[in-house]
Amino acid sequence: GAVVSQHPSWVICKSGTSVKIECRSLDFQATTMFWYRQFPKQSLMLMATSNEGSKATYEQGVEKDKFLINHASLTLSTLTVTSAHPEDSSFYICSASLGTASSGNTIYFGEGSWLTVV
Amino acid sequence: AQKITQTQPGMFVQEKEAVTLDCTYDTSDPSYGLFWYKQPSSGEMIFLIYQGSYDQQNATEGRYSLNFQKARKSANLVISASQLGDSAMYFCAMRGFYNQGGKLIFGQGTELSVKP
Repeated sequence: GAVVSQHPSWVICKSGTSVKIECRSLDFQATTMFWYRQFPKQSLMLMATSNEGSKATYEQGVEKDKFLINHASLTLSTLTVTSAHPEDSSFYICSASLGTASSGNTIYFGEGSWLTVV
Repeated sequence: AQKITQTQPGMFVQEKEAVTLDCTYDTSDPSYGLFWYKQPSSGEMIFLIYQGSYDQQNATEGRYSLNFQKARKSANLVISASQLGDSAMYFCAMRGFYNQGGKLIFGQGTELSVKP
């Protein structure tokens, strides 16, 4: 079964509104979560790294005020797309990790969320 | 900095034949891991295989094997006995454990089509 749950799977929102996407680790405490964005037929682009209890680290070119990331607990990280516009329409997917060097290949992905802004 | 390169945007293979998907990488991290994921049209990321940079032997998982050539910085995926259900996008990814803070970075992807 899934160890990382992402919700909602599909969301349609009006331009100018905000939408929140949740990423939950179900069977373990995720010290680090990663948020990715993917356009059709393209690669996964890392947006930010979220560590529990601290501010997210954003990749270059990603607007911090546009994509708000909160990692309030060891099992939940949220991505809020603020004042969404049609160009924000994309596939957003999270992944969760137990740690860094010691966890090796232990990275679990959520199911992803399709966002459409109309 | 780290970089992953997949130079094959699309590949075709006949059912039951083997296919190799190419992946090269570059990193300054002394310790890193290499991953291959399969992404069907539904969008889910399906983990296929993992190779640690210090692993002496090439990783294998069922019909998947990773041809790891550290000196050449390549980590090609070999799928044996292709099946129609193997048609999907395939991504190579790398995780640097020290300098890169454990971030998982993806290549451009290869779209594999298996012909009956």
